[in-house]
Amino acid sequence: EVQLVESGGGLVRPGGSLRLSCAASGFTFSDYWMTWVRQAPGKGLEWVANIKKDGSEKYYVDSVKGRFTTSRDNAKNSLYLQMNNLRAGDTAMYYCARGRGGSWSDFDYWGQGTLVTVSS
Amino acid sequence: DIQMTQSPSSLSASVGDRVTITCRASQSISNYLNWYQQKPGKAPNLLIYSASSLQSGVPSRFSGSGSGTDFTLTISSLQPEDFATYYCQQSHSTPLTFGGGTKVEMK
Repeated sequence: EVQLVESGGGLVRPGGSLRLSCAASGFTFSDYWMTWVRQAPGKGLEWVANIKKDGSEKYYVDSVKGRFTTSRDNAKNSLYLQMNNLRAGDTAMYYCARGRGGSWSDFDYWGQGTLVTVSS
Repeated sequence: DIQMTQSPSSLSASVGDRVTITCRASQSISNYLNWYQQKPGKAPNLLIYSASSLQSGVPSRFSGSGSGTDFTLTISSLQPEDFATYYCQQSHSTPLTFGGGTKVEMK
């Protein structure tokens, strides 16, 4: 069974940092693009970043470029999102998701999410 | 960036109704269009990819159509478990973008 489990969310002050993790199981992690999508409370979905199977390509939404970095450890079946210089507008549920088949851009399995709250 | 506009933003329907949700892209995206369903407190669930391909395990009452800039998600006969919010998403180019969502509520 495919499972994605996020962790690392919490309350952080503006300007602070957090590192989110996504533990994958039930599939060959290194065969799939992975992505991060966030959802502010009561709002819609926003794509944040994605990363190629071997980590050689990464793409980000403009609002997080220079502040967020995604990475992966295929030996540990894990995906990461390092978030620096956090802002109130980054407050959201953060989901990791798997690219469907060889796709980099549509997502067939999602984690349950981890909540990031940026507040003083 | 490609803007995705969904309509309506909400609708009220009854069990058994045929429901149609539209999504318009700000530029042509060929068939690079996906649909997701999200229930409160849950992660999204992929329904349709490449505009009209049904994701494995998704009931056949869901269907998608369109190409270029105009797309449609249709639920042929609304079931109780279909009351949810639906999002379109373009996969043509980064940044990947979602529509604002359509909330399907019980009439």
